[in-house]
Amino acid sequence: GAGVSQSPRYKVAKRGQDVALRCDPISGHVSLFWYQQALGQGPEFLTYFQNEAQLDKSGLPSDRFFAERPEGSVSTLKIQRTQQEDSAVYLCASSLGGGAGVFRNIQYFGAGTRLSVL
Amino acid sequence: KQEVTQIPAALSVPEGENLVLNCSFTDSAIYNLQWFRQDPGKGLTSLLLIQSSQREQTSGRLNASLDKSSGRSTLYIAASQPGDSATYLCAVSASNYQLIWGAGTKLIIKP
Repeated sequence: GAGVSQSPRYKVAKRGQDVALRCDPISGHVSLFWYQQALGQGPEFLTYFQNEAQLDKSGLPSDRFFAERPEGSVSTLKIQRTQQEDSAVYLCASSLGGGAGVFRNIQYFGAGTRLSVL
Repeated sequence: KQEVTQIPAALSVPEGENLVLNCSFTDSAIYNLQWFRQDPGKGLTSLLLIQSSQREQTSGRLNASLDKSSGRSTLYIAASQPGDSATYLCAVSASNYQLIWGAGTKLIIKP
């Protein structure tokens, strides 16, 4: 596709509900990233995929957060038993990746999913 | 642990002025530094990327400088326009993928 696409754009969940956020990266991009952005703050790294392999999940805040990219393209971030503190914008980014070279590592961002937990 | 700070948090200036946004970081061992723009309801757009070996990068009316030894970067915007209104974030990378972000500077250009 032309850019990184995220859905839904907005999600309202009741506390305790499970949610799934989808990211469609730019076609051919090897690397995929998830970030969490609280209101008035910069994004915080959650997890990183290279193709289908999840190489870094050090930023996931708890075991309620789970991300997958089973076929190396579309990725889903799942949050189980949502809490109010999970309310944030969830950003997905992709990059060419696949080797050295700074421009292969420029990340292109989607518009994000705004999650509100009531 | 790398920390990135942006000052000021918000800035409002009349159209046409030149302005400088500041970014500081605590660990000089960085791979590169990027400046991004974030518009409400839209994703982040990369404006400029400065590799650790570089001192500055320019794109149109934007110029970004990097001083690794002092842990500082500035984004200079010349002849500001209302369309420049957005939040500007800087991010440093200590690897080829993980970015550490500042909280951003919200810029308003008054017509």
